[in-house]
Amino acid sequence: DAKTTQPPSMDCAEGRAANLPCNHSTISGNEYVYWYRQIHSQGPQYIIHGLKNNETNEMASLIITEDRKSSTLILPHATLRDTAVYYCIATAGDDKIIFGKGTRLHILP
Amino acid sequence: KAGVTQTPRYLIKTRGQQVTLSCSPISGHRSVSWYQQTPGQGLQFLFEYFSETQRNKGNFPGRFSGRQFSNSRSEMNVSTLELGDSALYLCASSWEGTGTGRQYFGPGTRLTVT
Repeated sequence: DAKTTQPPSMDCAEGRAANLPCNHSTISGNEYVYWYRQIHSQGPQYIIHGLKNNETNEMASLIITEDRKSSTLILPHATLRDTAVYYCIATAGDDKIIFGKGTRLHILP
Repeated sequence: KAGVTQTPRYLIKTRGQQVTLSCSPISGHRSVSWYQQTPGQGLQFLFEYFSETQRNKGNFPGRFSGRQFSNSRSEMNVSTLELGDSALYLCASSWEGTGTGRQYFGPGTRLTVT
């Protein structure tokens, strides 16, 4: 089973910030939180990852709670091209990656 | 750098046949992982190869097998195809492995079994 839980779907208005939550209450101390997204029928695309501290790159920001039991991916200015399934994954070392069902994000014009 | 490439992109096979899919990782990457994606089961991990050795394996029957060559290119084979094997097969490469660092996914091979 996946180590993370995410809402099955979310809507966000174009131009607004999209905040995608992820619960990983059983995460181990050495496990990183990774986010990927998959646009229809393409291979998943890496977005961002973090361990404890908040992270930001050109695509998104990742906010991890202090207890590390949950995190939020923030797309600051969502566009129609951000419509995709977003996967949150907790993994470390030689682990195999287990993808859950992800969150289907709909960007509304 | 060139991305991860998979061949063929589309394939139609008949039940009972066998199929071999190929994946060329990004130059310098030592880990190749394979995934099966179906509408019902989502993205499922098949196996990972690292420096020619299988390092991790998912919960798939023995009909699914793979190998990795010295140049890190990988192949996966499915024998005695079943209708349920129809899926998008994705491979991903990384420098250190599935649990460490980002993975780069290829475009996938869409297999249809009739």
